[in-house]
Amino acid sequence: QVQLVQSGAEVRKPGATVKVSCKASGYTFTDYAIHWVRQAPGQRPEWMGWVNAGNGDTRYAPKFHRATIYTVTSASTAYLELRDLTLEDTAVFYCARTRNGSYWGQGTLVTVSS
Amino acid sequence: DVVMTQSPLSLSVTLGQPASISCRSSQSLVYSDGNTYLNWFQQRPGQSPRRLIYQVSNRDSGVPDRFSGSESGTDFTLKISRVEAEDVGVYYCMQATHWPYAFGQGTKLEIK
Repeated sequence: QVQLVQSGAEVRKPGATVKVSCKASGYTFTDYAIHWVRQAPGQRPEWMGWVNAGNGDTRYAPKFHRATIYTVTSASTAYLELRDLTLEDTAVFYCARTRNGSYWGQGTLVTVSS
Repeated sequence: DVVMTQSPLSLSVTLGQPASISCRSSQSLVYSDGNTYLNWFQQRPGQSPRRLIYQVSNRDSGVPDRFSGSESGTDFTLKISRVEAEDVGVYYCMQATHWPYAFGQGTKLEIK
C-alpha cells in the first residue's frame, strides 16, 4: 500500500533553515510528483510546491520562494528545505501524492521560536 | 491568484440530518483539458487532510456514498446526505486548476 512517512518534529530559531523528509513506499517513486503543503495553527492549508520525482522538475508558489524541494530517487525520498525561517513558519508541513488517489504523510511540526 | 470562498464557516448538524457546504471560486476552474479540478477535503482533529471528492463529483476510494459533490458555474457544493458522528471535522474546497493551488477557509462541522 502507498505510504508517505515524514521525519519528526523540529524546533528552529528565526533565520535558520529546516529540512523535512518524506519517504515513499508501495509504488514506483519516479512515476509521481510529490507535493508539499504548509498548515499554520488554525489556518487553511497552503500549497507550497511540488517536484516531479521522475525528472526533478519543480514548481513553487510565489509565496514560498524560500523553499527548495528535491528528491533522492535511490532512497524514494523527497525533501523540503525552508530557509530564513520566521515565527510565521511555525506550522505542520505535509507531503502528498495527488494523482491516482490522494496520499498524505502524517505531517511534520516545525516550531520557530527564539 | 484564485480565491476560494466557503460558506458557512461553521455548521452544527443533528445526527442523521443532511449538511451542505458551498464554495465559490473567483474565476473559472475549467482547465485547458476540459476538466474542472475542484476537490473537497476533510480534516479530522489532529489528522492529515483526506481528499473526499476530486474533479467536482468523483468520490475517492473508500469514501462513503453519503458524500457528494456538484457544481453550477463557479459555485460548488459538498453535500452529506446523513451526517454521522465520524464526520466531525473541517471541510475544505481546493482548486488545482490554476497555480498556485488554493484552499477555501474551511467549514467546521460539529454535531448538535
